[in-house]
Amino acid sequence: SQKIEQNSEALNIQEGKTATLTCNYTNYSPAYLQWYRQDPGRGPVFLLLIRENEKEKRKERLKVTFDTTLKQSLFHITASQPADSATYLCALRTGTASKLTFGTGTRLQVTL
Amino acid sequence: EAGVTQFPSHSVIEKGQTVTLRCDPISGHDNLYWYRRVMGKEIKFLLHFVKESKQDESGMPNNRFLAERTGGTYSTLKVQPAELEDSGVYFCASSQDRASSNYGYTFGSGTRLTVV
Repeated sequence: SQKIEQNSEALNIQEGKTATLTCNYTNYSPAYLQWYRQDPGRGPVFLLLIRENEKEKRKERLKVTFDTTLKQSLFHITASQPADSATYLCALRTGTASKLTFGTGTRLQVTL
Repeated sequence: EAGVTQFPSHSVIEKGQTVTLRCDPISGHDNLYWYRRVMGKEIKFLLHFVKESKQDESGMPNNRFLAERTGGTYSTLKVQPAELEDSGVYFCASSQDRASSNYGYTFGSGTRLTVV
């Protein structure tokens, strides 16, 4: 069956460190993968998109990698800040379908 | 530009009643999506409109759910009659083009539906 797993429900790190979140998928051939941030009581906010033929994408302190052989994406936040605390979701789009399939998310807590 | 607006933000209804959720997408976005998150589960796709046409409604749970997008602008999602398992947060999203290019989707803040 198709499954998207994000490495853990919660991740606690110290301010200034790099947070690394994992998204693993099985039985998908995604055309691209997106990462979203979600704060309590709000909808997901788009952060980055990476296509199947791309290895890495960067945006400011964010970096996403995509390994279609391992069926895995890594999401990095460098120099993390307490304001980065939120739930981070990965989502896949496959083929020509427009719908996104979401993982359950990882709740990141950055402490001082 | 204004974001995706959803109304109401919260709704508490009794089992068997009818509820209508509304979504106003970003102006000019032809693609409109409905998603739902039930307690403890991941966000799941319900359906996709391109303008006023239903492009994909494979995620609609059953025929108690009816989505419309008359005129290709705002959309409504009606649940009739509501059941307890319909409780959750309903998100609407819009995008400018079908492939979402480099911009992903813009989500609304959601409607939290509680059926008691």
